[in-house]
Amino acid sequence: GQQLNQSPQSMFIQEGEDVSMNCTSSSIFNTWLWYKQDPGEGPVLLIALYKAGELTSNGRLTAQFGITRKDSFLNISASIPSDVGIYFCAGRSGGYQKVTFGTGTKLQVIP
Amino acid sequence: DADVTQTPRNRITKTGKRIMLECSQTKGHDRMYWYRQDPGLGLRLIYYSFDVKDINKGEISDGYSVSRQAQAKFSLSLESAIPNQTALYFCATSEPNQPQHFGDGTRLSIL
Repeated sequence: GQQLNQSPQSMFIQEGEDVSMNCTSSSIFNTWLWYKQDPGEGPVLLIALYKAGELTSNGRLTAQFGITRKDSFLNISASIPSDVGIYFCAGRSGGYQKVTFGTGTKLQVIP
Repeated sequence: DADVTQTPRNRITKTGKRIMLECSQTKGHDRMYWYRQDPGLGLRLIYYSFDVKDINKGEISDGYSVSRQAQAKFSLSLESAIPNQTALYFCATSEPNQPQHFGDGTRLSIL
């Protein structure tokens, strides 16, 4: 099946710092999705990207759909303690039953 | 109230037992999905259903079965549980061509 490489696997940052994480694929995707998962909860959609080159923001979060359609990144600006969680990227190549999920980036924010 | 409700939230059982995980939704979505999450791995699709009469295997369907009793309900069964089915299980729903909405998960441990 398709592989998504998500990095970094985990990161510790100081409150107020900016964060960047990315996903790369060996295959082309039509849609890139970014989810956040808090402990004991399911993934929640943060940003959806539908066109190559698209740059979309959601508050302090910004994500981009790579020009090659094989990568995407997520930036979080001015991190706060509630940003703690696991961030997943996901790529869609057909219907939403064909979404491939990354392995997650675990973010810890030090107050 | 949660839009996608999973029961039970936690379950510990023994090898060989039959287990059923329930999912119900109030979102009115036709499409429902069951995923499995293991540490260090992305979400993997077990089964999905596009309406009450439609059942489709996902990436890792062996050892599992599903039942779509109504538009709002989609249950996952392990006929004879084995330890390597210990995982976090998520139900999700979606509208056609829209990202999934996830429940809060069922943590299943098989001894």
